[in-house]
Order: sequence, then structure tokens, then C-alpha cells
Amino acid sequence: GQNIDQPTEMTATEGAIVQINCTYQTSGFNGLFWYQQHAGEAPTFLSYNVLDGLEEKGRFSSFLSRSKGYSYLLLKELQMKDSASYLCAVRVNAGKSTFGDGTTLTVKP
Amino acid sequence: NAGVMQNPRHLVRRRGQEARLRCSPMKGHSHVYWYRQLPEEGLKFMVYLQKENIIDESGMPKERFSAEFPKEGPSILRIQQVVRGDSAAYFCASSPSPAGRPGRHYEQYFGPGTRLTVT
Repeated sequence: GQNIDQPTEMTATEGAIVQINCTYQTSGFNGLFWYQQHAGEAPTFLSYNVLDGLEEKGRFSSFLSRSKGYSYLLLKELQMKDSASYLCAVRVNAGKSTFGDGTTLTVKP
Repeated sequence: NAGVMQNPRHLVRRRGQEARLRCSPMKGHSHVYWYRQLPEEGLKFMVYLQKENIIDESGMPKERFSAEFPKEGPSILRIQQVVRGDSAAYFCASSPSPAGRPGRHYEQYFGPGTRLTVT
């Protein structure tokens, strides 16, 4: 089976740094994705990791440890517009991706 | 370059009716994926299609649900004899290829979704 765990909710302050963790146990692994989803909207791609280590892209960074089945998304210099749901997804084979239930991040002034 | 298009954006059906959801992938994309999202939950994979072929339908309910991606025209997700439990947001995504080459990857681009309400 497929199992992806991430916290349900997180709260952080504008300008701060927040780390959203994701652990996974899947039958296959062809990369891990992070998506951002605002309420009522489509998910939008943030990052992709297939090798161990840190990928940095502006204010957002994503880390992967395949041996531990663990990833995190790091958001720096938080802005109010970062309030959204963050979805961790593992591509388990060429076409199929399994998503976690998402972490709802609330950024407060 | 238009993004992934889905229509209708909102669909209301009475129990027992049929729902047809359409998805036009991004230009140049030949791989389509359908997901269902219940309130406060993540996306659940339903089916992965290429033109004229169903590649992986392991997430599709065995009854009442079907999907196609014809040579011409949009991909269609069809739900027959809808029930209240079918009420959800249905997202379509597309990509140019299912798997990346070393150093490349192909993320899925999502459409705006169709919100199905069964009354």
C-alpha cells in the first residue's frame, strides 16, 4: 500500500521560516513533489526531488532522504499569500502519483 | 500557451443521473491524469491515460466510473448513476511525458477542477 503522512495544520508568523515535513512508505519511488493549493483552486507545482539532498528555489527549498522516506518543504520570509495547503506527493511509477492529505499553513501578521 | 482546461467548472446532478467531465490537456501534452479531492482531503489518483489508451486505472471505482482520451478531443471522465458520495472536486492534470530523463522531470500541470455536487 501507499502511505504519505504530513501534519494537518501549521501556523507561522509573517517573515518567519516554516518547515513542513512529509514521511512516506510507498511501493515504488520515482520522485517526490511538493504542490501548493489555495482554497478552491488547482494545485501548482513547487518542487521536485529524486536524489537525496536539498533543492533551493527562491524562498522555497525542498529536502529528500530516500533511506529515511522523508522530505520537508522549507518556506522562508513568509508572506500572507503563502497561506495555503501544501501537498506532498510521491510518484510511485511512471504515471501514478500518490498524494498526502496536505498541510494547511496559516500565516499570521 | 493555454493551460489545462476543464469544463464545466461546476456541475450539479441529481442522484441517478450521469456526469460527464471534460479535460483538455496543455498543448503538446499527451498524458492525462484524473484525481478526486474530497473536502479537507488530498488528491486521490483515479486514472492515467495516453491518447486512446488507459495506462493505469487502479484508482478508479470498479463500477459506474469510466474514462477515455480519444485521438481527437478532450479526455472524458464519466460517472453513471451518480450518488451523493460522488460529490467532490475532480482535477485533471497533464504532462508531456510520464517519467523524466536523468536531470529532467515532468511535473503534472493541473486544471482548475470540476466541482460536482450530487443532490
